[in-house]
Amino acid sequence: GDSVTQMEGPVTLSEEAFLTINCTYTATGYPSLFWYVQYPGEGLQLLLKATKADDKGSNKGFEATYRKETTSFHLEKGSVQVSDSAVYFCALRTPVDTGRRALTFGSGTRLQVQP
Amino acid sequence: EAGVAQSPRYKIIEKRQSVAFWCNPISGHATLYWYQQILGQGPKLLIQFQNNGVVDDSQLPKDRFSAERLKGVDSTLKIQPAKLEDSAVYLCASEPRGPSYEQYFGPGTRLTVT
Repeated sequence: GDSVTQMEGPVTLSEEAFLTINCTYTATGYPSLFWYVQYPGEGLQLLLKATKADDKGSNKGFEATYRKETTSFHLEKGSVQVSDSAVYFCALRTPVDTGRRALTFGSGTRLQVQP
Repeated sequence: EAGVAQSPRYKIIEKRQSVAFWCNPISGHATLYWYQQILGQGPKLLIQFQNNGVVDDSQLPKDRFSAERLKGVDSTLKIQPAKLEDSAVYLCASEPRGPSYEQYFGPGTRLTVT
């Protein structure tokens, strides 16, 4: 079945450091890929997405590129801020004719940014 | 636009008791999901509704969990009887019609079974 593997956290960085959170996936067909973020005390929010190979999703300074050849969707940001401290989830969705549209999530990576 | 509403936000029960969670999706969203998120893990689908019909309940433990979405709007998830391993956050999400790629999540209900 479909699965998503993320690097374990917590990831602790100083403000303005470069961030990479690794994500690889296993899926049948051609999935859409997502990064969701969960800030403390809040619900999951979509951060960015890519729906086909070589697409780059971007939002709020974060980027991720859909790499079909390496089945990866790594999240990057050039300069993190304290406000980026949150849990980040990589997820995928494989289109099926039955209408099933649920997301398959990784286990999440906690990011802590220190001033 | 109001977000996905869930209640209660927190619930503590003893094992073998029953519990129910309520979700009000964003107005007009046809698809509704219930996910279970155990501490330290990502959310896992329990059930997907399209309007008031079930699309996917393959991972719902049907001997103890049930869910309904009457009139294709609000939804209720019930656990009866609860087990210790049901301690988790229960997330409701909704998605608009059409080729959308975004699910909108509620704040979740944190269940502790003692």
